[in-house]
Amino acid sequence: NAGVTQTPKFRILKIGQSMTLQCTQDMNHNYMYWYRQDPGMGLKLIYYSVGAGITDKGEVPNGYNVSRSTTEDFPLRLELAAPSQTSVYFCASSYSQTGSDEQYFGPGTRLTVT
Amino acid sequence: AQTVTQSQPEMSVQEAETVTLSCTYDTSESNYYLFWYKQPPSRQMILVIRQEAYKQQNATENRFSVNFQKAAKSFSLKISDSQLGDTAMYFCAFGTQGGSEKLVFGKGTKLTVNP
Repeated sequence: NAGVTQTPKFRILKIGQSMTLQCTQDMNHNYMYWYRQDPGMGLKLIYYSVGAGITDKGEVPNGYNVSRSTTEDFPLRLELAAPSQTSVYFCASSYSQTGSDEQYFGPGTRLTVT
Repeated sequence: AQTVTQSQPEMSVQEAETVTLSCTYDTSESNYYLFWYKQPPSRQMILVIRQEAYKQQNATENRFSVNFQKAAKSFSLKISDSQLGDTAMYFCAFGTQGGSEKLVFGKGTKLTVNP
């Protein structure tokens, strides 16, 4: 199993550009999550999904969109990038609910918006 | 709202010694889970240990153990026989049972194991 994979590993965007961060898991997990980690801070939840076709907002969803057309994939879309979106982005997945099941994380994408 | 506080931004320990990382949390929930995640320089987040709030017995995983004090809302991580590979950021996290899918993370403690 590859686990949770994310692409790209690094990206520099100009203000106003858009991009999609890709996330794929091969563990047949129902739950998938997107977090951002700002310097010196813990992770904050952007969006999550409890299954294909079902997504919901987390703590910091503004400026982002997600979709979940398959169990395996959970892409995160940034529209009109802003410097405040400079961060490290982590995708994670779990078999069942957050509270009772371990989340498996991808290696992260470091995004810089200038 | 739940909050997680890690009061030690940085700690260091000599190889083979024992170190304890502190974590306190605030919640009105009675059923919840607590986690310690490790983030080495590679950035990969790895689960170290998990504790169910309804269990009185402290969780242990090899050299890692917790001291869970539910009344005090405290959840410290003890690392015994520290190894160089333990050098990492350690995050305490809180998750509720059912309902919310959010894990609340503390700001982390940077642990350095010195040879």
